[in-house]
Amino acid sequence: GENVEQHPSTLSVQEGDSAVIKCTYSDSASNYFPWYKQELGKGPQLIIDIRSNVGEKKDQRIAVTLNKTAKHFSLHITETQPEDSAVYFCAEGYGGATNKLIFGTGTLLAVQP
Amino acid sequence: NAGVTQTPKFQVLKTGQSMTLQCAQDMNHNSMYWYRQDPGMGLRLIYYSASEGTTDKGEVPNGYNVSRLNKREFSLRLESAAPSQTSVYFCASSEGGEQYFGPGTRLTVT
Repeated sequence: GENVEQHPSTLSVQEGDSAVIKCTYSDSASNYFPWYKQELGKGPQLIIDIRSNVGEKKDQRIAVTLNKTAKHFSLHITETQPEDSAVYFCAEGYGGATNKLIFGTGTLLAVQP
Repeated sequence: NAGVTQTPKFQVLKTGQSMTLQCAQDMNHNSMYWYRQDPGMGLRLIYYSASEGTTDKGEVPNGYNVSRLNKREFSLRLESAAPSQTSVYFCASSEGGEQYFGPGTRLTVT
């Protein structure tokens, strides 16, 4: 069945360093790959997403890269700040009007000041 | 514009009791979803509704029922709660692409 592997499960970096989280998916038909940030006690919030027709997308300090051949996609956060500390989830989906998503198991990112 | 709201925020049930989790969105979205979140397992889809009047099973539907009351509201019912249903439940809505999540309901079944 469909599943998404996410690594690492925990990541600790110094403020100002970069952080990279990687996901691998299994369904070759998937064409929508979002990343969500979840702060303690809150619901997940979309931070960036990418569709299969592009290989990279950037939004200020955040970027996502996609390798459809290898079925990998990654989140890159540069110049990390303490407020980036949270749990990050990747997901895969079909990107249609009703977008059923399969989520990874999450990465707890801790940015040390 | 409140986005997605969920009630209650917390609930404790005894095994065998029933309850309904409420969800409402004010973004005029057609699609709504119910997820459960367990430690180390990410979010798993329980049920979803592509539009008013339709519902479909997700990955983990056993032990749950849903009702899409109207375009705004999508409720999740546990008919006979079990300890395995202890979890945090999130409702979400979308209109293609991004899903918007509610703040969650933390449910404990003893």
